[in-house]
Amino acid sequence: AQSVTQPDIHITVSEGASLELRCNYSYGATPYLFWYVQSPGQGLQLLLKYFSGDTLVQGIKGFEAEFKRSQSSFNLRKPSVHWSDAAEYFCAVVTGTASKLTFGTGTRLQVTL
Amino acid sequence: KAGVTQTPRYLIKTRGQQVTLSCSPISGHRSVSWYQQTPGQGLQFLFEYFSETQRNKGNFPGRFSGRQFSNSRSEMNVSTLELGDSALYLCASSLAGRGFTEAFFGQGTRLTVV
Repeated sequence: AQSVTQPDIHITVSEGASLELRCNYSYGATPYLFWYVQSPGQGLQLLLKYFSGDTLVQGIKGFEAEFKRSQSSFNLRKPSVHWSDAAEYFCAVVTGTASKLTFGTGTRLQVTL
Repeated sequence: KAGVTQTPRYLIKTRGQQVTLSCSPISGHRSVSWYQQTPGQGLQFLFEYFSETQRNKGNFPGRFSGRQFSNSRSEMNVSTLELGDSALYLCASSLAGRGFTEAFFGQGTRLTVV
């Protein structure tokens, strides 16, 4: 079965610093990959997605992610973090013909001023 | 375009009761999925409905059920509530005809079982 690993439970960065959140997946073929963000008590907002094509994808709020097949990774990046980026970030995959998302355990981002 | 609407936002129920949660997908979206989010188990897939048919089901007991109406609105029902059913229940909608497209989530329904 497919799985998603987000090795960092909690990350703290200073406002204006760069950010990279890690995501690794386990699946034999190329999955569909997503990053979602969740603010406290809220639903999930889609940041970006990868289905095929260019391995560097741009999303909303200045985020980008790079799909690396050789490393089974889909890391999320942002060059300069804003205090409003503090939230929980989830990596997710959809594989094969399944229509369900499998989520990682999430990374909580704290931004210090 | 309106997003995914979940009602109610908050619910408090007593053990043994049953509860029904509602989800209205984005206009034109025919697939509705439900997820349970808890601190211990994270985000787990409950089931997916497409064109009024359950197309996929997660690993949850039969107390959890759902349905979809002809206008794509969906409800999920939990019977004989247990304390462990306390969670944020999230609904997601997608176009999802053949294959998968991105899913958009509602704000969720926070269920507390006492």
